[in-house]
Amino acid sequence: GIQVEQSPPDLILQEGANSTLRCNFSDSVNNLQWFHQNPWGQLINLFYIPSGTKQNGRLSATTVATERYSLLYISSSQTTDSGVYFCAVEHVGNQFYFGTGTSLTVIP
Amino acid sequence: DSGVTQTPKHLITATGQRVTLRCSPRSGDLSVYWYQQSLDQGLQFLIQYYNGEERAKGNILERFSAQQFPDLHSELNLSSLELGDSALYFCASSLKGMYNEQFFGPGTRLTVL
Repeated sequence: GIQVEQSPPDLILQEGANSTLRCNFSDSVNNLQWFHQNPWGQLINLFYIPSGTKQNGRLSATTVATERYSLLYISSSQTTDSGVYFCAVEHVGNQFYFGTGTSLTVIP
Repeated sequence: DSGVTQTPKHLITATGQRVTLRCSPRSGDLSVYWYQQSLDQGLQFLIQYYNGEERAKGNILERFSAQQFPDLHSELNLSSLELGDSALYFCASSLKGMYNEQFFGPGTRLTVL
């Protein structure tokens, strides 16, 4: 299989702060997505980003496939950003792997 | 709202029983995926179907089976349930079978007592 590791595992931020979440993967991937799992358990799509850079409001993501990592940037964090952030990759043979997650808490 | 629906939202059953979880993909999506999320194993890929055919298998136990019907909805059958099967089960869908963005349903929370 493939190892998908995320860092940091836990993050506590003051509202308004910026943060960078990292996703490392141990082999080439065909696909990469970032998700936010809110406190109610719903997995919300953030980015579909097998390579390159994308931005959506306060969030942006960059995947450097050749170096096997992806970054998720959150700027001006809000309490509603709290939850767990996952990256997920598609590997050979249509196998899908989720990372270990980063648990984010934004305090007012 | 992702457009993917799952029923039921919650399910409580006893060890040894059998349950069926149902998923309806987004309109137009041909692929359905099933995942299990538990505290000790994290989010694990179980199985994928594309237009009615099994496309890929992940960490799906032999006690579990799935199918995708002609109307593209899918069912995940879990049998001989054990305490360790208690988890959140997600269904996702995508337009095609490969290299596609997946959209997740709200999940079914299964509790085995």
